Amino acid sequence: GDSVTQMEGPVTLSEEAFLTINCTYTATGYPSLFWYVQYPGEGLQLLLKATKADDKGSNKGFEATYRKETTSFHLEKGSVQVSDSAVYFCALDSGTYKYIFGTGTRLKVLA
Amino acid sequence: GAVVSQHPSRVICKSGTSVKIECRSLDFQATTMFWYRQFPKQSLMLMATSNEGSKATYEQGVEKDKFLINHASLTLSTLTVTSAHPEDSSFYICSARVRLSYNEQFFGPGTRLTVL
Repeated sequence: GDSVTQMEGPVTLSEEAFLTINCTYTATGYPSLFWYVQYPGEGLQLLLKATKADDKGSNKGFEATYRKETTSFHLEKGSVQVSDSAVYFCALDSGTYKYIFGTGTRLKVLA
Repeated sequence: GAVVSQHPSRVICKSGTSVKIECRSLDFQATTMFWYRQFPKQSLMLMATSNEGSKATYEQGVEKDKFLINHASLTLSTLTVTSAHPEDSSFYICSARVRLSYNEQFFGPGTRLTVL
């Protein structure tokens, strides 16, 4: 079945460091891919998405490129801020309207 | 646009009581709503899919008599945790799929349920 694998956290970075959170997926067909962010005690907010191969989603300095050849959708940001501290979830929708979520990666950014 | 609300945001109840959680799409019609459960420091687990006017579809292992879902209108779905026990304590999150957007879900802020 479909699945999403994220790198285990927590990830601890200093402010202004470069961030990469790896996400790979297994799916039949051509899924849509998403990154969501969850701040403490809150629900999920869509960070970015990509619906087809080679699409690049971007928002608030975060980027992720849909790589079909490597079945990956890694999240990157060039310079993280303390306010980016949160849990990041990679997810896919293979067309069944049900999301498959990764386990989440906790990011902690230190001032 | 595309705002989903949940009520209440937090609820504490005694063991054996029932708790109802509401999920509303505020500015759009949602053909489908989803209910998730999230344990501390874990991912979201899909519990059920709710379509307006029809019975909910539950994921394997989720007790339909325990978690009653009603989707009475295109903007409201409710989850009732019946005869709640401490092991039902969790963070419950709903999401809604926009009628004309086939692959994007919008998430509510979640409800923290604590059963004493």
